[in-house]
Order: sequence, then structure tokens, then C-alpha cells
Amino acid sequence: DAKTTQPPSMDCAEGRAANLPCNHSTISGNEYVYWYRQIHSQGPQYIIHGLKNNETNEMASLIITEDRKSSTLILPHATLRDTAVYYCIVRVAHSGGSNYKLTFGKGTLLTVNP
Amino acid sequence: NAGVTQTPKFQVLKTGQSMTLQCAQDMNHNSMYWYRQDPGMGLRLIYYSASEGTTDKGEVPNGYNVSRLNKREFSLRLESAAPSQTSVYFCASSDFSGVGTEAFFGQGTRLTVV
Repeated sequence: DAKTTQPPSMDCAEGRAANLPCNHSTISGNEYVYWYRQIHSQGPQYIIHGLKNNETNEMASLIITEDRKSSTLILPHATLRDTAVYYCIVRVAHSGGSNYKLTFGKGTLLTVNP
Repeated sequence: NAGVTQTPKFQVLKTGQSMTLQCAQDMNHNSMYWYRQDPGMGLRLIYYSASEGTTDKGEVPNGYNVSRLNKREFSLRLESAAPSQTSVYFCASSDFSGVGTEAFFGQGTRLTVV
């Protein structure tokens, strides 16, 4: 299973873009990169995912490098409510099947400051 | 549409007591998961069920049993609770079908074993 590496914490000023990096240098060709966040011990919330192309939705943008060994989650205009732990996850395939499990690391605590 | 519902939300057990954590989802998902989260840590997978009728061990299965009662429900049982099982437990469901859909999480069960 590909492992991910994230900085333990980051700060961002309110209204500015937050850029959260993730290293997944052992990712294989059919593995997706997922981002989730967890606000104050609530259940994790899905943000975005991608395979190799950049992706954007109403919450964030995901930039994946051409070699797929790293990615960056971008929150374009961070607000105080974006303060959370952000998890970068590589989806692994359950052996022999088409169902998948998600393995979480420790994530990055993003603190958005006023 | 309630999503993923966990009961109870809080529980205090004495060492050696048993209990079952309940989880139900109403999204017709095939896969369900149980995670635990200790203070300052990421989520660790206990057990998962790729589809109705199947269960598999995750990273930390010792001391737990699971039952996939039907497609909607996935329960986690502690037969003889230990203080080391004090944690927040999250249930999740998903319908990964090769196209990268997300997992949905419940709000957690906060368990204290004294």
C-alpha cells in the first residue's frame, strides 16, 4: 500500500489560499489520491479526489504532479471554519475485489488565523 | 437522508464489560468500516466489510468482533473491554466501484473504559 507523508501542522491567514502538500512517492498507477478533513473530532468529511489530472470542486482544488508522487490540496480562500486536520489518503484495493479501504495517516492540522 | 448513524454517542464501561456499537447507513452502500481514533492520532481501521456477508481485519482488530447484519448495518462488539480501548469509534460506508466515490462517516461513539 502506498503511504503518504504530510507536514504535521500549517498556518494560514484568513482569506488567503491554503496549500497543503502530500507526498505519496510509492503510489501505483491505479491508486487514487483522496483528501478528507476532520473538524474538531467530528467524523471525517470528504473533500476531493483525483487519479492523475488536476481536479476542482466547490470546496477545493487538487493538483497532482505529473509523476504522481506528490499532490497539493488548495483551499482558495481559507476561512476560520476551515481549521481542521486534513488527511491525504491513497486508496488501496482490497485483494481480488473491486472494493477499497481507506488507510489514514496523522494528517496536517491547518489553523486558519484571523 | 440520515447518512451514517452510530449509537450510542457516548458510553462508559467498566473493565471486563461487554458492549456492541451499532452502525447503520441508508445510502445502499456495499462497504462498511469501523475505525478508532485515539487522542492526537489519525484513524486506524479495525474491521471492514467489503460487501454483505463478508468481513476482514484491518490494522487493529484484536479485542473486537464485527457482524455485518445486513446491507444497512455493521456492528462492532467489545467482548471484554479494556482501558486501552478507550477511544472514539467511527463507522463509515462507501460504494467504491472503481470510479472513485467517497466514504461517508458517522459522528462517532466516544467510549471510555475505566
